[in-house]
Amino acid sequence: DGGITQSPKYLFRKEGQNVTLSCEQNLNHDAMYWYRQDPGQGLRLIYYSQIVNDFQKGDIAEGYSVSREKKESFPLTVTSAQKNPTAFYLCATADPGNSPLHFGNGTRLTVT
Amino acid sequence: AQSVAQPEDQVNVAEGNPLTVKCTYSVSGNPYLFWYVQYPNRGLQFLLKYITGDNLVKGSYGFEAEFNKSQTSFHLKKPSALVSDSALYFCAVRARNSGNTPLVFGKGTRLSVIA
Repeated sequence: DGGITQSPKYLFRKEGQNVTLSCEQNLNHDAMYWYRQDPGQGLRLIYYSQIVNDFQKGDIAEGYSVSREKKESFPLTVTSAQKNPTAFYLCATADPGNSPLHFGNGTRLTVT
Repeated sequence: AQSVAQPEDQVNVAEGNPLTVKCTYSVSGNPYLFWYVQYPNRGLQFLLKYITGDNLVKGSYGFEAEFNKSQTSFHLKKPSALVSDSALYFCAVRARNSGNTPLVFGKGTRLSVIA
């Protein structure tokens, strides 16, 4: 989706290193989300933010951290405490109410 | 608690035949329901949503879905499948009275359309 930019597309890290995934949007949406996708497990919510300077843990927040200092940006840090970080990470945004989510094209993280 | 079940991991259909991808949900109260499609190494794309009103919802690329409150289902359908419809499909739900709580997604159904 042209309105949401996730970078980089592929990321490789050594075990024990922290890594930050970028998500930038120009849709002027208030809410932003981070999901993790693993084969056969669907999408699992890591963190979400409904407004600048505020965010909430999702279902699998352990080992991850986020910040929301600007409306346009919601970076996700995968820390060394995350036991199994190799996955496909998706960022999404939405307006409040019943609006659909808009997704970026994802970052595939491989940790070895 | 909100939940979505997509009972089939894989659906195979011949090109030109009708297709159905099943979804059932569980929420307190009335739901907002969504279908998304994902192509390899891409994000999810919105197909259609049910908010209120007509139980038959029409969406992108000729897809439609029927909301059935008594069966708590929201199956995705298309009258004539194309090879290009082959992708991963996700159903998602949120309770209408839950404010801005995040969508809950099913585990996905892989659709394979065979020429």
